[in-house]
Amino acid sequence: DAGVTQSPTHLIKTRGQQVTLRCSPKSGHDTVSWYQQALGQGPQFIFQYYEEEERQRGNFPDRFSGHQFPNYSSELNVNALLLGDSALYLCASSPKGDGVYGYTFGSGTRLTVV
Amino acid sequence: RKEVEQDPGPFNVPEGATVAFNCTYSNSASQSFFWYRQDCRKEPKLLMSVYSSGNEDGRFTAQLNRASQYISLLIRDSKLSDSATYLCVVNVYKLSFGAGTTVTVRA
Repeated sequence: DAGVTQSPTHLIKTRGQQVTLRCSPKSGHDTVSWYQQALGQGPQFIFQYYEEEERQRGNFPDRFSGHQFPNYSSELNVNALLLGDSALYLCASSPKGDGVYGYTFGSGTRLTVV
Repeated sequence: RKEVEQDPGPFNVPEGATVAFNCTYSNSASQSFFWYRQDCRKEPKLLMSVYSSGNEDGRFTAQLNRASQYISLLIRDSKLSDSATYLCVVNVYKLSFGAGTTVTVRA
């Protein structure tokens, strides 16, 4: 049973560029959340998708957007990249939107903006 | 005020020692509580859920005090493999993470 799959694993982009990160949730999970983890910090909530809609959003600018597809997979898009966007981006899936059952994390995409 | 504030450590302990650390959370509506473990440059992995009555999982004991909005984790008989960053996590509609407590177990 595949867990949460994220791609790519590593990415280097230039300031001002745009990036798309992808996530396939664990089988049986329908809710996908995205987190940003800067070095030495805990993961910070970006947003959560359920039934192809953004259900909740953290304190991130509109440059961060996302999408969920009918097969529950999800994309995170970041426009106009800044050096400060360099971080590990984690996708987490859960079987129900309320999160009571806990989350499964993917291994992340490490984004470096130069 | 941060949603979850954690004892930052680092804790450097010998094998076999007991180590304990804690966190506090600000949202009294928090519904569920967890400790996650994160190894260097890896994703967080669920260590254990935390229940109001307190719970154990092998050498790990977690406590929750809802009145004080305080969560703790105790590790007994520390192993080298326990070296990691431990993340305190609370859930309302999303997971809110503390910044992590780094534990290093030395031989």
